[in-house]
Amino acid sequence: AQTVTQSQPEMSVQEAETVTLSCTYDTSESDYYLFWYKQPPSRQMILVIRQEAYKQQNATENRFSVNFQKAAKSFSLKISDSQLGDAAMYFCAYGSSNTGKLIFGQGTTLQVKP
Amino acid sequence: GAVVSQHPSWVICKSGTSVKIECRSLDFQATTMFWYRQFPKQSLMLMATSNEGSKATYEQGVEKDKFLINHASLTLSTLTVTSAHPEDSSFYICSANHRAEAFFGQGTRLTVV
Repeated sequence: AQTVTQSQPEMSVQEAETVTLSCTYDTSESDYYLFWYKQPPSRQMILVIRQEAYKQQNATENRFSVNFQKAAKSFSLKISDSQLGDAAMYFCAYGSSNTGKLIFGQGTTLQVKP
Repeated sequence: GAVVSQHPSWVICKSGTSVKIECRSLDFQATTMFWYRQFPKQSLMLMATSNEGSKATYEQGVEKDKFLINHASLTLSTLTVTSAHPEDSSFYICSANHRAEAFFGQGTRLTVV
């Protein structure tokens, strides 16, 4: 079975600074996706960034980038130039290409200080 | 992007009654949909995979008779919480995949009193 672990329940960053959220996963599958989702107080799930496991190049979306270490099964999210609107709960998720299921980590609550 | 609509957004029901939650893919067809449950400040836990035209696949520990899932069309899946009790109070979220990306409904906050 696949597992996803986020070891940082809470993180804090100063506005305009950079923060990295950690995520590790475990799987025996060879074909999968990894995601970071943002969940603001509205609880609507928002896709931040996606990484295909077969791609070696780290995904980037504007201020958001990942450090994907496949051998170490690590998938961290870096948020640059943090903004007040980035404050939310962030979930790392594993997506099986075979079943389409998503398995979520425990989540990290990010606080952005002005 | 694709849109998944979930209804109702919130519902309060009396203990012992049943409540139905709908999940619709508005602009794409979804042969598979997923139902999650989320307690406050916790993660999303996959409850079941809803399969169009066939039985749902439940995750270990999820009561099939408590959480009835029907996926009668390519755009609609329903979750019925039967004989609801206060411990069933939670936030329920559905999702559907489209082009290798998951699209989530707005979620349903269920309160059983």
